[in-house]
Amino acid sequence: DTAVSQTPKYLVTQMGNDKSIKCEQNLGHDTMYWYKQDSKKFLKIMFSYNNKELIINETVPNRFSPKSPDKAHLNLHINSLELGDSAVYFCASSQARGLGYTFGSGTRLTVV
Amino acid sequence: AQSVTQPDIHITVSEGASLELRCNYSYGATPYLFWYVQSPGQGLQLLLKYFSGDTLVQGIKGFEAEFKRSQSSFNLRKPSVHWSDAAEYFCAVGAGDDKIIFGKGTRLHILP
Repeated sequence: DTAVSQTPKYLVTQMGNDKSIKCEQNLGHDTMYWYKQDSKKFLKIMFSYNNKELIINETVPNRFSPKSPDKAHLNLHINSLELGDSAVYFCASSQARGLGYTFGSGTRLTVV
Repeated sequence: AQSVTQPDIHITVSEGASLELRCNYSYGATPYLFWYVQSPGQGLQLLLKYFSGDTLVQGIKGFEAEFKRSQSSFNLRKPSVHWSDAAEYFCAVGAGDDKIIFGKGTRLHILP
């Protein structure tokens, strides 16, 4: 029973398309996050939501739009995909700051 | 601003040898500190965390880390590595606004 699950695991798409990545957690955590990991393995936070409310919105192009229908779900929609969007996107959740995150297994997005 | 430095991009050790991965952080207050491990194609798994109390922290898989405030360090250690420990290791600091800042990672290679 996966704690933080992301779908799809792999996503290959053409430039200009719109795509979504879904994330669900069954841990009862209040806060969820999206991180982007680039080709050099660098992890950078994109967004965080606490109980459906946007808390952190880093300097991310507005082509990226997170949506949290309830506190167990945080989806990421990306419009007009560009080559530079190719990366691994990780969803994570946490109950409290000092407890760390539980990560999903990632979605590898390849834009061609 | 908070930051994390992992000075070693790659580390190679022989199986059975001891391991120390270095991490230095920059944060004004008492930090939350974490070590995560990422195996190829996988998400990140929390190895251990520190916020307060005993400065020597025990984690999973036989890892430990020591917080040294005077050196702003949180180095990860293991007395005897196994081939299955080959992975990417990330040090991270919990920032004031509930986000975690990650270092750039250290890739651990194990020689048979």
